[in-house]
Amino acid sequence: QVQLVQSGAEVKKPGASVKVSCKASGYTFTGYYMHWVRQAPGQGLEWMGWINPNSGGTNYAQKFQGRVTMTRDTSISTAYMELSRLRSDDTAVYYCARDLGKGLSYYMDVWGKGTTVTVSS
Amino acid sequence: QSVLTQPPSVSAAPGQKVTISCSGSSSNIGNNYVSWYQQLPGTAPKLLIYDNNKRPSGIPDRFSGSKSGTSATLGITGLQTGDEADYYCGTWDSSLSAGPVVFGGGTKLTVL
Repeated sequence: QVQLVQSGAEVKKPGASVKVSCKASGYTFTGYYMHWVRQAPGQGLEWMGWINPNSGGTNYAQKFQGRVTMTRDTSISTAYMELSRLRSDDTAVYYCARDLGKGLSYYMDVWGKGTTVTVSS
Repeated sequence: QSVLTQPPSVSAAPGQKVTISCSGSSSNIGNNYVSWYQQLPGTAPKLLIYDNNKRPSGIPDRFSGSKSGTSATLGITGLQTGDEADYYCGTWDSSLSAGPVVFGGGTKLTVL
């Protein structure tokens, strides 16, 4: 079945970086855009950006530009999201989510279970 | 503050109908399609509605969506206790600072 399996929880100090992985299975990895969305404790959803696994092209939300890097390794059907210069307000659950369409629809129909990132000194 | 405005909570009895509103502006809902997501406690969001009123495969027709002007509405009929969740609306926003994808703050549905 189609699924996205994310890496485990991380605890980081302020100023550090974190890299979260998202391994896809059950479908053609390069055929669908991948989004990253985060959710701070008790808060709503916040879109961070997407990566085109076929071309490697990316588009980031303005808020994260300069701090976020999305990459992929097609040989292992895995997408990555790296966030640098971490602050306490980056503490959140980070989700990868597959785009619904064969093109870019911005709808997300398959989600990973989420990776908790805690930023604390 | 979220770009899209949703009521923090709604409630209704099992078997009843409930609606959840989502208010935006001309830079987002007014000129773009709306989607809705359901997030059960402790789980990842799930796509319920896209393109204002379309349901992905497997989503029951108890869930419906509509849009008028700069607002959208999610309707749920025949409420079940399993529908207790947070619901989020989403759309695109053409303003550089907000977009392109924006969500509402979420609405907690309680089935009494």
